[in-house]
Amino acid sequence: EVQLVESGGGLVQPGRSLKLSCAASGFTFSNYYMAWVRQAPKKGLEWVATISTSGSRTYYPDSVKGRFTISRDNAKSSLYLQMNSLKSEDTATYYCAREAEGIGYFDYWGQGVMVTVSS
Amino acid sequence: EIVLTQSPTTMAASPGEKVTLTCRASSSVSYMYWYQQKSGTSPKLWIYDTSKLASGVPNRFSGSGSGTSYSLTISSMETEDTATYYCQQGRSYPWTFGGGTKLELK
Repeated sequence: EVQLVESGGGLVQPGRSLKLSCAASGFTFSNYYMAWVRQAPKKGLEWVATISTSGSRTYYPDSVKGRFTISRDNAKSSLYLQMNSLKSEDTATYYCAREAEGIGYFDYWGQGVMVTVSS
Repeated sequence: EIVLTQSPTTMAASPGEKVTLTCRASSSVSYMYWYQQKSGTSPKLWIYDTSKLASGVPNRFSGSGSGTSYSLTISSMETEDTATYYCQQGRSYPWTFGGGTKLELK
């Protein structure tokens, strides 16, 4: 059974940093692109980052480019999201998701972790 | 950036009623993907490659479309179908989602 379990969320002040983690199990992690998708309270879904199987390629929307960094450790079957210079508009539930064959859709999602950016 | 516009934003359907949700893209895409999200839970892949049902999805659901116009149809609404449905494109970065259609029971 595919499982994705996020951790590392919490309350953080504007301008500070936070690192999210996602532990994957139930599939060969190194064979899949992985992604982060977020959802602000009572809002829709927003893609945040994607990383290739080896980690050599990463992709971001303009809203987080230069502030967020996605990374992975295939030996540990773990995905990470380093978030710097956080803004109030980054407040959201962050989901770890598996990208199906790097095609650009998400076939499995974690339960999500809440990040609140507030002073 | 490809903008996806879903309509309606909210709708209510009676049990047994046929339901059609629409997603329009600002540029042509090859496929559309749909997710179901129930309140307080994470999204689930519902339809992929425009018309293929994800594992466990009831066959009263179907997807269709091409180019810039796509739809998700429920042939006969059931109580368990109440949720928000999002479309998503994987044609080009940034991956984008529609704003969602909230489907309620009448």
